[in-house]
Amino acid sequence: SQKIEQNSEALNIQEGKTATLTCNYTNYSPAYLQWYRQDPGRGPVFLLLIRENEKEKRKERLKVTFDTTLKQSLFHITASQPADSATYLCARGGQAGTALIFGKGTTLSVSS
Amino acid sequence: KAGVTQTPRYLIKTRGQQVTLSCSPISGHRSVSWYQQTPGQGLQFLFEYFSETQRNKGNFPGRFSGRQFSNSRSEMNVSTLELGDSALYLCASSLGDRGPYGYTFGSGTRLTVV
Repeated sequence: SQKIEQNSEALNIQEGKTATLTCNYTNYSPAYLQWYRQDPGRGPVFLLLIRENEKEKRKERLKVTFDTTLKQSLFHITASQPADSATYLCARGGQAGTALIFGKGTTLSVSS
Repeated sequence: KAGVTQTPRYLIKTRGQQVTLSCSPISGHRSVSWYQQTPGQGLQFLFEYFSETQRNKGNFPGRFSGRQFSNSRSEMNVSTLELGDSALYLCASSLGDRGPYGYTFGSGTRLTVV
């Protein structure tokens, strides 16, 4: 089966530093990966999508990479702030019409 | 525009009962996906409906079922509830055709089985 793994359950960093979260997938490369943010008691919120043929995507302080050789995506938050504290979820998807499968998430805590 | 609406927000049921959860997607979105979220297992895919047809199904027992109506609203039903069904049930909508698109999630229904 196609798995998506976020190896770190928790990541603690200081304000102003860059947070880097890792997402690994097994078997064949997904057509795309998505990243979401989830706050306690709320549904996930879509952040970024990166396709298999894209190396990098940016949105404001967020950057996502997709490395098909390492079977890995990295999610970076630069100049992190306490408000960035949340659980970040990685999800893999196939072509249109296939299910979006989520990793278990990494909980980021940014201290001031 | 209005987001994804899930009702009810909280539900307490007794083991053996059945429950129906509702999801109204964003206007124009034709795909609705359902997920079960628990602390130990994370977000687990239940099923996806597109244009009233079940397009994908996760690895859950037959007690879990769903449907989608012509206005794209969706319901999921769990029969013969077990204690282990206690979870946050999330639905997400997307445009659904071609894509890919980001999903828009509702706030979820917190189901507690006692």
